[in-house]
Amino acid sequence: KQEVTQIPAALSVPEGENLVLNCSFTDSAIYNLQWFRQDPGKGLTSLLLIQSSQREQTSGRLNASLDKSSGRSTLYIAASQPGDSATYLCAVQRTGGGNKLTFGTGTQLKVEL
Amino acid sequence: DVKVTQSSRYLVKRTGEKVFLECVQDMDHENMFWYRQDPGLGLRLIYFSYDVKMKEKGDIPEGYSVSREKKERFSLILESASTNQTSMYLCASTLGQRREKLFFGSGTQLSVL
Repeated sequence: KQEVTQIPAALSVPEGENLVLNCSFTDSAIYNLQWFRQDPGKGLTSLLLIQSSQREQTSGRLNASLDKSSGRSTLYIAASQPGDSATYLCAVQRTGGGNKLTFGTGTQLKVEL
Repeated sequence: DVKVTQSSRYLVKRTGEKVFLECVQDMDHENMFWYRQDPGLGLRLIYFSYDVKMKEKGDIPEGYSVSREKKERFSLILESASTNQTSMYLCASTLGQRREKLFFGSGTQLSVL
């Protein structure tokens, strides 16, 4: 059974700092991995999707990497801003599981002025 | 942009009531999903549908049923609401091909008293 872990559960950084969020998964047989952002009381917004054949994806100040063999992904946020404060979740789409995703429990990020 | 609309942001129901949660997407997506999100447990898949009138159980289907009579609409039904079904319910959709981004609605916070 696929398990997805995100550590730490919460993180507080000063504005302008570069930071890395971590995601690990137990079964490397995946189609892809997605990173989502969730604001309090809201739904999830997909930030980046990395296919299993890819090593990384970039969007603006965000860069996500994938190391399938070691079961790890990182989300790098450059020059963090208070508006980046949110919960970040990763999810893997497992092979043979149709379109079902397995989610981590998220890292709650606070960027302080 | 894809729009996934959930009919209610907040709902308060009584134990034993039959509850309908509605979700509509406007991008002709084949796959639709219902998740519930609870603190410390993350997102858990209740049911999903890969075509009209087609459905499959997710990880926690007990106490729920679903209906998909039209491609754009996916309903979650709580046959007899119980207090342990108090949760944030999130609907999502994707085009249907593997390796596609998942798009979420804003969520329905359901309280069962």
